[in-house]
Amino acid sequence: GAVVSQHPSRVICKSGTSVKIECRSLDFQATTMFWYRQFPKQSLMLMATSNEGSKATYEQGVEKDKFLINHASLTLSTLTVTSAHPEDSSFYICSARPLGGGATAYNEQFFGPGTRLTVL
Amino acid sequence: GEDVEQSLFLSVREGDSSVINCTYTDSSSTYLYWYKQEPGAGLQLLTYIFSNMDMKQDQRLTVLLNKKDKHLSLRIADTQTGDSAIYFCAESKNFNKFYFGSGTKLNVKP
Repeated sequence: GAVVSQHPSRVICKSGTSVKIECRSLDFQATTMFWYRQFPKQSLMLMATSNEGSKATYEQGVEKDKFLINHASLTLSTLTVTSAHPEDSSFYICSARPLGGGATAYNEQFFGPGTRLTVL
Repeated sequence: GEDVEQSLFLSVREGDSSVINCTYTDSSSTYLYWYKQEPGAGLQLLTYIFSNMDMKQDQRLTVLLNKKDKHLSLRIADTQTGDSAIYFCAESKNFNKFYFGSGTKLNVKP
């Protein structure tokens, strides 16, 4: 149980285009999903916290107009990188926290497999 | 802000024990975690410890927490080649934000 998927797993796009990444909780509902960015050989940096039905909360230094987050249902959050540039190339990972009970007793987040974005 | 630090590399021989260390700065952390990341994949929770504990053992994994020194360690007994991965420690205090260390790449030599 507690599987999180991301789609696509890998995407290559031209500079100036927009890319949408989906994060789905497959067998549980998640009120909260998180988006992270990971640079090579570096840690995960939290970009934003996404709550179903409300606006995302962005971390300091993350441009909300650049990284659009939509959390339309309890099982889906999307991250759109608008007008992507080569410096946006990175590994984007989402995580989801289950709605009530079970794993939330220790506040676990379940992570997706990540999306490798390459902007040419 | 919160700062979580780890050494970048560790190399051990198969069958030996591995000890991965982590220090953090936020004394109000509630939970501390160890995650494993294999190449090109997301993070897999290995184990966690609540901040009022000082040790937790789970099969081959032993977590030690020194809250006074803000030091967390993960010991893997009888390390196998399949344990080769990047290990991240993380801390959380308000059930929303996780702060991750930079990851320790564990290389297990056969």
